[in-house]
Amino acid sequence: ETGVTQTPRHLVMGMTNKKSLKCEQHLGHNAMYWYKQSAKKPLELMFVYNFKEQTENNSVPSRFSPECPNSSHLFLHLHTLQPEDSALYLCASSQGASEGTDTQYFGPGTRLTVL
Amino acid sequence: AQKITQTQPGMFVQEKEAVTLDCTYDTSDQSYGLFWYKQPSSGEMIFLIYQGSYDEQNATEGRYSLNFQKARKSANLVISASQLGDSAMYFCAMRDHQGAQKLVFGQGTRLTINP
Repeated sequence: ETGVTQTPRHLVMGMTNKKSLKCEQHLGHNAMYWYKQSAKKPLELMFVYNFKEQTENNSVPSRFSPECPNSSHLFLHLHTLQPEDSALYLCASSQGASEGTDTQYFGPGTRLTVL
Repeated sequence: AQKITQTQPGMFVQEKEAVTLDCTYDTSDQSYGLFWYKQPSSGEMIFLIYQGSYDEQNATEGRYSLNFQKARKSANLVISASQLGDSAMYFCAMRDHQGAQKLVFGQGTRLTINP
């Protein structure tokens, strides 16, 4: 496996379900990110992790719970979601340097549908 | 606050022609980075090219070049000799150099290459 992988690629869940999204990066990076991409809206940053520590939470509702057990893996735990949470969820990773040249590389995304 | 504006919701271009995708940005920072990403229908965001605010030369990567006009706050992507596989959504993004890792994205431009 190379780059950034995400599983599952598609997920349909009811509002009372609990599910998890998984992201894995094979690039030796130190920072990982979750983004949400809704229809007709720009990509929105949700969470940032550096060296397993959460460094940014962009006012995300608590029904989204991230977990970063190590620098290579990132999870997004989902519970009691709303239909408006249906979106493409993208994971990214980067070296984590503070310079602006730090480039984020994205996974293929998980397309989530909440019924 | 940083803002990215992409004024072209959609563009249609004949194969082998060059195409310019517009991007303007707004920031009060002196030091920042500008990125372009390609998103095919599969969903993955593919990094194309980077331009730093202090770079004196326009960035180039193969068929991609960035027309950076700092005074106008524009960072247009130029694709030379377009190919059918270039059909996708294209996003311009900015990151400031103040240590934050947040990428701010524009709304995107849907490029369609006609045979």
